[in-house]
Amino acid sequence: EDQVTQSPEALRLQEGESSSLNCSYTVSGLRGLFWYRQDPGKGPEFLFTLYSAGEEKEKERLKATLTKKESFLHITAPKPEDSATYLCAVQAAGTSGSRLTFGEGTQLTVNP
Amino acid sequence: GAVVSQHPSRVICKSGTSVKIECRSLDFQATTMFWYRQFPKQSLMLMATSNEGSKATYEQGVEKDKFLINHASLTLSTLTVTSAHPEDSSFYICSARPAGTGTDTQYFGPGTRLTVL
Repeated sequence: EDQVTQSPEALRLQEGESSSLNCSYTVSGLRGLFWYRQDPGKGPEFLFTLYSAGEEKEKERLKATLTKKESFLHITAPKPEDSATYLCAVQAAGTSGSRLTFGEGTQLTVNP
Repeated sequence: GAVVSQHPSRVICKSGTSVKIECRSLDFQATTMFWYRQFPKQSLMLMATSNEGSKATYEQGVEKDKFLINHASLTLSTLTVTSAHPEDSSFYICSARPAGTGTDTQYFGPGTRLTVL
């Protein structure tokens, strides 16, 4: 069974204080790993897709990396508007219809 | 690009009534759409996978007769909660995967808050 574990559950940062969120996964052959951002009362917003170990992607203050066992979402010099819940999801190879398995998320709060 | 809408955003209904939620991909076609349910402080739980022109595939434990899914076109899927009860109150979110692009990325709608009295 595919499993995704995100840590920490919650993270409080001061504005400008860089940090990383972790997503550990167990899957029978990884087809893709996805990061989303979710604001309260809204649907998830797509951030990144990673397909193979060693791959990295960046968008503004966010950088996602992937190894064979985990992914990190690095946040550089965060701002209060980066406060949200960050979700990680995996898709297993051979999965019909692109089924995703989500982690429980990391709730990030950035204080001004 | 890759915008998904949902309607309504909020709905309050009486116990025993049925509620229909629409999910539309606005700027792309989607042969596959997904319906999720999210409880407070929890992650997304996949309810069913909707394929255009065919029957939906439901996850284990999801009652297909209670949660009716129709994917009538490449841009529209609907979820009907039949004979709703208070325990069906939840945040329902759809997603869509662009067709013909080779991407597995799902793009999510803004969600529908259902409250059953």
